[in-house]
Amino acid sequence: EAQVTQNPRYLITVTGKKLTVTCSQNMNHEYMSWYRQDPGLGLRQIYYSMNVEVTDKGDVPEGYKVSRKEKRNFPLILESPSPNQTSLYFCASSLYSGSSYEQYFGPGTRLTVT
Amino acid sequence: AQKVTQAQTEISVVEKEDVTLDCVYETRDTTYYLFWYKQPPSGELVFLIRRNSFDEQNEISGRYSWNFQKSTSSFNFTITASQVVDSAVYFCALSEAYAYSGAGSYQLTFGKGTKLSVIP
Repeated sequence: EAQVTQNPRYLITVTGKKLTVTCSQNMNHEYMSWYRQDPGLGLRQIYYSMNVEVTDKGDVPEGYKVSRKEKRNFPLILESPSPNQTSLYFCASSLYSGSSYEQYFGPGTRLTVT
Repeated sequence: AQKVTQAQTEISVVEKEDVTLDCVYETRDTTYYLFWYKQPPSGELVFLIRRNSFDEQNEISGRYSWNFQKSTSSFNFTITASQVVDSAVYFCALSEAYAYSGAGSYQLTFGKGTKLSVIP
């Protein structure tokens, strides 16, 4: 089944404790992206990757890191999480990086930082 | 910079009523793409439709229809004979074809969403 998977789905952590949210897609998509969703703000892009070893900042990259060593994986790293990073996170992928391609979203990761 | 406005934060309708969700966008590009996504209470985001800026034909898919009007920069979504399963948050999104968005090239800019509640 073609899908984007994220792990963990739910995470409660404390301020400053490094964490990684994994994202994997099995569709051989070139483009992958991370978003955060907050009430009243909709979805905002954190980082995106147009291919292996090619990443760039979105609208709200502060406090996050990403890497794209393999085509299928695009982990989101929070080196020192803070409470303002409490949010619902979505990973997405699309076939190519062109804007005409719809993005397929993972199930979301609900992160709480205390 | 591209922008998407969904002025309706929440809408409630009674089952079987028709409902239209509004979406107004801003872009400097002449080539762009518009999308609608559905987010049911379970939380996942489901792709509904993609429309490019050169295709102003309205589209119908079952009870769903979309009205794209470049003259008013709108891409509205109508659900006919609404059902309880239509209850969700609906997002309109815009993607520009060229690099006017700078570092955000190829980013998908979302509206803030409209929460639709269909009451039995």
